[in-house]
Amino acid sequence: DAGVIQSPRHEVTEMGQEVTLRCKPISGHDYLFWYRQTMMRGLELLIYFNNNVPIDDSGMPEDRFSAKMPNASFSTLKIQPSEPRDSAVYFCASSRGSSGYEQYFGPGTRLTVT
Amino acid sequence: AQSVTQPDIHITVSEGASLELRCNYSYGATPYLFWYVQSPGQGLQLLLKYFSGDTLVQGIKGFEAEFKRSQSSFNLRKPSVHGSDAAEYFCAVEVTSGTYKYIFGTGTRLKVLA
Repeated sequence: DAGVIQSPRHEVTEMGQEVTLRCKPISGHDYLFWYRQTMMRGLELLIYFNNNVPIDDSGMPEDRFSAKMPNASFSTLKIQPSEPRDSAVYFCASSRGSSGYEQYFGPGTRLTVT
Repeated sequence: AQSVTQPDIHITVSEGASLELRCNYSYGATPYLFWYVQSPGQGLQLLLKYFSGDTLVQGIKGFEAEFKRSQSSFNLRKPSVHGSDAAEYFCAVEVTSGTYKYIFGTGTRLKVLA
C-alpha cells in the first residue's frame, strides 16, 4: 500500500484566499484524522471521521475551517478565508479501528499564509 | 484533564550512548500509551504501544518503553543510539471518554553526535 497520501506537500497563499488540503487514507481504514502541528501548540487533533461521518470536530479552531469526507478514499480540509496564523503543517492520518489501533500518518502539508 | 508531559524539549547524545526520553501522563483510567517518531519532513511513525500486561514493551528500531503506574510514566529507552535515530519523538495517551482521540506530548527533539 502507498500509505496515506496528502496533497499538496507545500502550499503558499495570501491572506484571505481559500485553501484546500487533500488526503487519501489507506484502503480499508475506517477512521480518518486531521491534525495541525505548530511550534506553539504542538500536534492538535482538528477533526476525525468514522466511516466517512464526522465524529468529533471540537478541535476545529473556528468556522473558517471545514472538513469533508465524501467517500472512503478521500477527505478535504478547507480554510476560507485563510489567515497568517493558520500557517502550520497539517497531517492526515488513518487507522483500521479506534481504541488501540495504530494511526498511520501522511507526510503532511506545510501551509504558509502570507 | 488528560495531559501528556514530555519535560525535555531537546536532548543530545553521542552515537553509541544510551537514551531515555521521559513521558508523564495524567489520565483517570488505565491508559493506552504510544510512542511515535517523526523524522524531518515526514509524518509520525509508531514505535511502540502499551495497553496492558507486561509493563516493558518492545518496539521497532530497537526501542523499548516501560510503563510505571505509580509514577504515571512511560519512558522510552534505547541501549545504543545510531545517527539515524535523530528525530522528534512524541508520547501520546489515548482518550476514550465520550469520543476517541490521542493527546500528544509536545515532543522531544533528539540530536545525535557522531
